[in-house]
Amino acid sequence: DAGVIQSPRHEVTEMGQEVTLRCKPISGHDYLFWYRQTMMRGLELLIYFNNNVPIDDSGMPEDRFSAKMPNASFSTLKIQPSEPRDSAVYFCAIQGRNYGYTFGSGTRLTVV
Amino acid sequence: GDSVTQMEGPVTLSEEAFLTINCTYTATGYPSLFWYVQYPGEGLQLLLKATKADDKGSNKGFEATYRKETTSFHLEKGSVQVSDSAVYFCALRGAQKLVFGQGTRLTINP
Repeated sequence: DAGVIQSPRHEVTEMGQEVTLRCKPISGHDYLFWYRQTMMRGLELLIYFNNNVPIDDSGMPEDRFSAKMPNASFSTLKIQPSEPRDSAVYFCAIQGRNYGYTFGSGTRLTVV
Repeated sequence: GDSVTQMEGPVTLSEEAFLTINCTYTATGYPSLFWYVQYPGEGLQLLLKATKADDKGSNKGFEATYRKETTSFHLEKGSVQVSDSAVYFCALRGAQKLVFGQGTRLTINP
C-alpha cells in the first residue's frame, strides 16, 4: 500500500531562518503534491510533480519557496527566508495508480 | 477553471441525526468526484469517490451520488456518531490534480 511519511511533525523557527520540510512516499505513485492549509485560505496546492519532474508550481506563493524531488522516494519543500505568514500546516500527498490520493500527516510550521 | 463549492460550516448535530453536506462543482468534461475527511491533527483521508454520472460512492455509512444534471455530489449519512466529528472536503479531479472545496467542520454532540 502507498503511504507518505512527513517530517518533522512540528517545526518552530524564527523569522528569517531557512526551513526544510521533508516527504517520503513509501511506494506506488506517479504524482506527488505539496499543499498548504490555513484557517483563512483552506487547502492550497503549492506544486506537484509527475515522475519526479515539477509540472505546475503556479501555487508557490513567492520565490522564497522552492521544492525538489531528487528521486521517487523523497521530496523537500524549502522556505528561505521564512516569515510569520508562512505559518501553516504543510501536507505532502501522492496519487497512486488507482488515482486516489494519500496524504501524509502534515508538518505544522510556526514562524515567530 | 475547475472549482468546488461546499456548504458553509460549521455544522453541529446531535448523535443519530441525519447529515447532509452540500457540494456543487464547476468543471469542463467529466471529472471524478471525491469526499475526503480530516480528523484533528491528521492529514486528509479518502472517504468515498464516484467516477461517472449516477455513480454512488459509499463508505462507513456515508453516501454521495454523482449528479451531472445538477453538478452536485452531496454527502449524506443516515445516523451520525460522535466519532464522525471532523472536517469534510469535497473535491474533483480534473486533468491531473485534485481541486478541493473549502471544507465543512462537523461536530456531533452526544
